[in-house]
Amino acid sequence: KQEVTQIPAALSVPEGENLVLNCSFTDSAIYNLQWFRQDPGKGLTSLLLIQSSQREQTSGRLNASLDKSSGRSTLYIAASQPGDSATYLCAVLQGAQKLVFGQGTRLTINP
Amino acid sequence: DADVTQTPRNRITKTGKRIMLECSQTKGHDRMYWYRQDPGLGLRLIYYSFDVKDINKGEISDGYSVSRQAQAKFSLSLESAIPNQTALYFCATSENEKLFFGSGTQLSVL
Repeated sequence: KQEVTQIPAALSVPEGENLVLNCSFTDSAIYNLQWFRQDPGKGLTSLLLIQSSQREQTSGRLNASLDKSSGRSTLYIAASQPGDSATYLCAVLQGAQKLVFGQGTRLTINP
Repeated sequence: DADVTQTPRNRITKTGKRIMLECSQTKGHDRMYWYRQDPGLGLRLIYYSFDVKDINKGEISDGYSVSRQAQAKFSLSLESAIPNQTALYFCATSENEKLFFGSGTQLSVL
């Protein structure tokens, strides 16, 4: 059974720092991995999607990497801002529309 | 206006009551999903639908049913609500494997 783990559960950093969020998964047979952002009282917003054949994806200050063989992904946020404060979730897609989510990392950027 | 709209945003009900959560979308996507989110357990798939005539059970479908009334509408029903169905419920659509979520319905079953 696929298990997705995100460590740490919570992270607090000063504004302006570069930071890395981690995601690990136990079964490397995945189609893709997605990173989402969840704001309080709102739904999830897809940030980046990495296909299993890809190594990384970039969008603005965000860069996500995927190492399928080791079961790891990282989300790199450059020059963090208070507006980046949110919960970040990763999810892996397996067969039959089975999207398995991690429990998320709650990120706080302090001004 | 939101592309994926869920109603109601919040609902408090009693054990044994029938509840329907509604979802509508303007994105024109064929694929729609219902998830629930619980603290410490992440999001889990309840049901999904690839088109109006296609309904599939997800990971935790027991105690739930769904109806795909049209391409744009996908509703989730709890026939007889129980307290452990208290959770945050999300509807989502997808295209090219990318998911788009509604804002969620917080359901509390007393």
